[in-house]
Amino acid sequence: EAGVTQFPSHSVIEKGQTVTLRCDPISGHDNLYWYRRVMGKEIKFLLHFVKESKQDESGMPNNRFLAERTGGTYSTLKVQPAELEDSGVYFCASSRLGAGSYNEQFFGPGTRLTVL
Amino acid sequence: GDSVTQMEGPVTLSEEAFLTINCTYTATGYPSLFWYVQYPGEGLQLLLKATKADDKGSNKGFEATYRKETTSFHLEKGSVQVSDSAVYFCALSEFTGGGNKLTFGTGTQLKVEL
Repeated sequence: EAGVTQFPSHSVIEKGQTVTLRCDPISGHDNLYWYRRVMGKEIKFLLHFVKESKQDESGMPNNRFLAERTGGTYSTLKVQPAELEDSGVYFCASSRLGAGSYNEQFFGPGTRLTVL
Repeated sequence: GDSVTQMEGPVTLSEEAFLTINCTYTATGYPSLFWYVQYPGEGLQLLLKATKADDKGSNKGFEATYRKETTSFHLEKGSVQVSDSAVYFCALSEFTGGGNKLTFGTGTQLKVEL
């Protein structure tokens, strides 16, 4: 079974440019999460999809960030325009849908974003 | 809101030394607790978990006990190996609406030397 994959692994862009990150979850996983780790700090939740629907986007920092999951398969996270403080590692995770119990989240390797 | 506090790193140990990484949490409800590990160049992997008070999670020689009275979930290993060098994250989650978003600590980098 293939794991969670993310593309690209690294991205270096200039302030004001646009970047799109992609996440391919494990097949059959309806839950998809985005997290971010900035400057060696804690990993913070950004948002959660259940299939193609945004279940919780309370962690999205501002309206420069747009996440989509068309068809309930892969997801993209677009940052437009990018600012210096957006630099960090963006993680994607997926899990099976559960009812009241914890289903393990499987993480991708992350995308390291550097905004100059 | 929920939060997790874990000890600052980096932690450098000699092989076969005893490891403790402290973790305490604040939560509104009754969370599940986790330790994740990130090896160099890889994604986060679940190391162990505990879902209720006094549960002990264990895996690969690592252990952590869910202590509700002290709101703690300290990670321990009796004898570390060079291959344990990684970043360790303490985390909690509370089930909401079909999913379990994770709240992480800042991570503790462990380096084990020969």
